[in-house]
Amino acid sequence: EDQVTQSPEALRLQEGESSSLNCSYTVSGLRGLFWYRQDPGKGPEFLFTLYSAGEEKEKERLKATLTKKESFLHITAPKPEDSATYLCAVLNYGGSQGNLIFGKGTKLSVKP
Amino acid sequence: GAGVSQTPSNKVTEKGKYVELRCDPISGHTALYWYRQSLGQGPEFLIYFQGTGAADDSGLPNDRFFAVRPEGSVSTLKIQRTERGDSAVYLCASSLMAGVDEQFFGPGTRLTVL
Repeated sequence: EDQVTQSPEALRLQEGESSSLNCSYTVSGLRGLFWYRQDPGKGPEFLFTLYSAGEEKEKERLKATLTKKESFLHITAPKPEDSATYLCAVLNYGGSQGNLIFGKGTKLSVKP
Repeated sequence: GAGVSQTPSNKVTEKGKYVELRCDPISGHTALYWYRQSLGQGPEFLIYFQGTGAADDSGLPNDRFFAVRPEGSVSTLKIQRTERGDSAVYLCASSLMAGVDEQFFGPGTRLTVL
């Protein structure tokens, strides 16, 4: 069964304290892995797509990496405005072309 | 440009009533998706359209749920005989094509069934 597990469930950081969020996945064949940011009361906001192991993408203080079993979202010198829930999702070859499978998310809090 | 819009933003209804939730995708996006998100959970897939047809409705929980996209743009999610367990945030997303491109989400409709 296709599955996405994110850890930790919640993470508290001080401003400037770098860390990483983990997304482990089990799918029959990975078409793509997606990272989203979700603020309270809002819809998910697209951040990155990764397609193959070894791929990396960066945007401001965020960097996403991908291996054959997991993805990491690295946050360098975070600021309070980075506080949000970060969602990981996968799209697989074996299933529907539209069926994103999401993890439960990691809730990040960055204190000034 | 304009993103995905959803109306209403909040809907409160009584058990047993019928509700319609509307989604207006990004202009030019041919694929449209519906998800449902409960508190503390990630979005859960319901159905997606490529053009006017429902390409995959395997996530619809039962036959009380139905969705249409008659002209290949705006979509309506319809829920009959609502139950308290239907309470959740209903999210709509769109993409240029299914299976290739990233999905862009709307703000969601929060449905509360009393």
